[in-house]
Amino acid sequence: AQSVTQLGSHVSVSEGALVLLRCNYSSSVPPYLFWYVQYPNQGLQLLLKYTTGATLVKGINGFEAEFKKSETSFHLTKPSAHMSDAAEYFCAVSDQGGRRALTFGSGTRLQVQP
Amino acid sequence: GAGVSQSPSNKVTEKGKDVELRCDPISGHTALYWYRQSLGQGLEFLIYFQGNSAPDKSGLPSDRFSAERTGGSVSTLTIQRTQQEDSAVYLCASSPYGAQSTEAFFGQGTRLTVV
Repeated sequence: AQSVTQLGSHVSVSEGALVLLRCNYSSSVPPYLFWYVQYPNQGLQLLLKYTTGATLVKGINGFEAEFKKSETSFHLTKPSAHMSDAAEYFCAVSDQGGRRALTFGSGTRLQVQP
Repeated sequence: GAGVSQSPSNKVTEKGKDVELRCDPISGHTALYWYRQSLGQGLEFLIYFQGNSAPDKSGLPSDRFSAERTGGSVSTLTIQRTQQEDSAVYLCASSPYGAQSTEAFFGQGTRLTVV
C-alpha cells in the first residue's frame, strides 16, 4: 500500500520568500512521485514528476523537488514566491506497474502575502 | 479540444435521484481514471480503465456507483440514489500509459451538490 503525508495544511509566505512544501511518502515498491497544483475552481495541473534518474527535478513556474530515498521525501521548493503561486498543492505517488493510479496527500494551501 | 473535457461542470440534484457525469479523455489516451475530491476526504481514487481490460473498481465507495467506458474513449460515471455525502468534485484524468508515460492529465471536474 502507498501513502503520502503532506505536513502543513496551510503555508503562508511573503512575496519573494522561499517556498517549501513538505511531502513524505510510503511505498513498498519504487515510486513515481508527482506534485500537482490546483487553482480555485480548476482541475489539477502537473508541476513536476520524478520517475527515474536525476533526483532533483525541475518543473514549471520555477518549482523544483528533490527525491530523497533515505528520507522517503519529495519536498517542493521555489526560491522566490510570487503572488500568482497562491493555490493548493498536492503531492502524489503511484507505483511503476499496474494501474498507476495516484495516491494523493491531503494538500497544502499556499498563501503569498504582499 | 486538446484537454480532458468533463460535463456538466456543475450539477445540483435532489437526494435519491440518479446522476450521470461524463468524461471525454484526450484522444489516444488508453488509461482513464475517476477521482473524487471532497472536504475531509481529500482526493480519492474511484475507478480505472485501461484499454479493453476489465476496469479496476476497487475505489468505488458503494454499489450505487458505477462507470463505463464506451469504445475505449468517453466514460460515464453514474451515481444512483444520490446521498448528501456524495457531494464532491468528481475529477477525470487520462494518460497515454506505456513505459514512458507516467503523467495523468486532469479535467476541470464536475461539482456535484446533493440537496
